[in-house]
Amino acid sequence: SQQGEEDPQALSIQEGENATMNCSYKTSINNLQWYRQNSGRGLVHLILIRSNEREKHSGRLRVTLDTSKKSSSLLITASRAADTASYFCATDTREASGGSYIPTFGRGTSLIVHP
Amino acid sequence: DAMVIQNPRYQVTQFGKPVTLSCSQTLNHNVMYWYQQKSSQAPKLLFHYYDKDFNNEADTPDNFQSRRPNTSFCFLDIRSPGLGDAAMYLCATSPWGGRKAEAFFGQGTRLTVV
Repeated sequence: SQQGEEDPQALSIQEGENATMNCSYKTSINNLQWYRQNSGRGLVHLILIRSNEREKHSGRLRVTLDTSKKSSSLLITASRAADTASYFCATDTREASGGSYIPTFGRGTSLIVHP
Repeated sequence: DAMVIQNPRYQVTQFGKPVTLSCSQTLNHNVMYWYQQKSSQAPKLLFHYYDKDFNNEADTPDNFQSRRPNTSFCFLDIRSPGLGDAAMYLCATSPWGGRKAEAFFGQGTRLTVV
């Protein structure tokens, strides 16, 4: 079943602007991850934030997590046309066999960055 | 270097004709997943393996089967594809006991049913 819900569903911006995407989830998590998917491709892992972390950075990416509100945001600063893709959050509330966790995805935000 | 490889990238099959999608990994991960992703939707888990321990999702149709002959390979068999099975199929892996929970995805196989 779907756990995360991204907002907005679609975002269109100009190159150089910042893009902010939000993810809300329903149940307690251990980790939350953000993935990127270029059109017609597989998912690429961007960043993982643990439930005891509030903010994490990776290059132009900044992820925040508010466990009290059960929400996370992904900020892409100084966006580029090459950032055009769909962005998904995934939560890991479900434990798989052997102690790993199952990423459960939201519907994603479709980001278009215009040159 | 490619770590999770799916073949083929694009597959066209006839309605009702069995089809097999393949996934291989060089990461030696214990856990492998198959997801189905329809247009503009979230990837939906079909099943996952921990080693050879198979775990089917409750709402995965019986039409979908899987095999994992060894750590490196995993197959998705669709016994009688219907038009509604047209989708992107994503294979992913993650390490055992991976509290980091990062999953590594292949490029996907786009299945068309005609």
